[in-house]
Amino acid sequence: GAGVSQSPSNKVTEKGKDVELRCDPISGHTALYWYRQSLGQGLEFLIYFQGNSAPDKSGLPSDRFSAERTGGSVSTLTIQRTQQEDSAVYLCASSLTPHQSIYNSPLHFGNGTRLTVT
Amino acid sequence: AQSVAQPEDQVNVAEGNPLTVKCTYSVSGNPYLFWYVQYPNRGLQFLLKYITGDNLVKGSYGFEAEFNKSQTSFHLKKPSALVSDSALYFCAVRDTGTASKLTFGTGTRLQVTL
Repeated sequence: GAGVSQSPSNKVTEKGKDVELRCDPISGHTALYWYRQSLGQGLEFLIYFQGNSAPDKSGLPSDRFSAERTGGSVSTLTIQRTQQEDSAVYLCASSLTPHQSIYNSPLHFGNGTRLTVT
Repeated sequence: AQSVAQPEDQVNVAEGNPLTVKCTYSVSGNPYLFWYVQYPNRGLQFLLKYITGDNLVKGSYGFEAEFNKSQTSFHLKKPSALVSDSALYFCAVRDTGTASKLTFGTGTRLQVTL
């Protein structure tokens, strides 16, 4: 079946511009995550959506970053007034979280969006 | 707070030799532990997980990992490495006390040579 789909795969933007990154999770997956992977760094948690619960935004690095998830499916990560330090690969992941296994469902990752801010 | 440490940036192994990629963790409650692999220009793929039960967990592609509670470790192992195993490996932990997010280590690059 279809996996997690992210678009665009690559995005080059000028410093100060806004960008939107899109994630289509696997159908039926109720949990959706955004991570950032910078060169030489690990995966940095950004935000987590679970069903209709309030999202966990504790990883967003600044108020220039925001994310929404419409209808419990597609998610958009928006970065306003981009800076060069925002250059990274942005990874989206989803997981199936039935009640009995909310803690141990593996994440399914998309191939990421490589963002370059010039 | 939960955290994961992968002390080696890179591990070099000759094909056919056993490999170990190290991971230690810190959580306040019980850990749920995962290994993921990232091949070049690809997303992360799930390899295996430890939730409870047997300390030796077997996963995809012949990999296994051993949970050691006293050493708070979850090292990834394979008896005989293949060149095709060369990739970036990430250890991750989720604390049952704060179950929302999965915290990843910084990754270890595995290089298997002929």
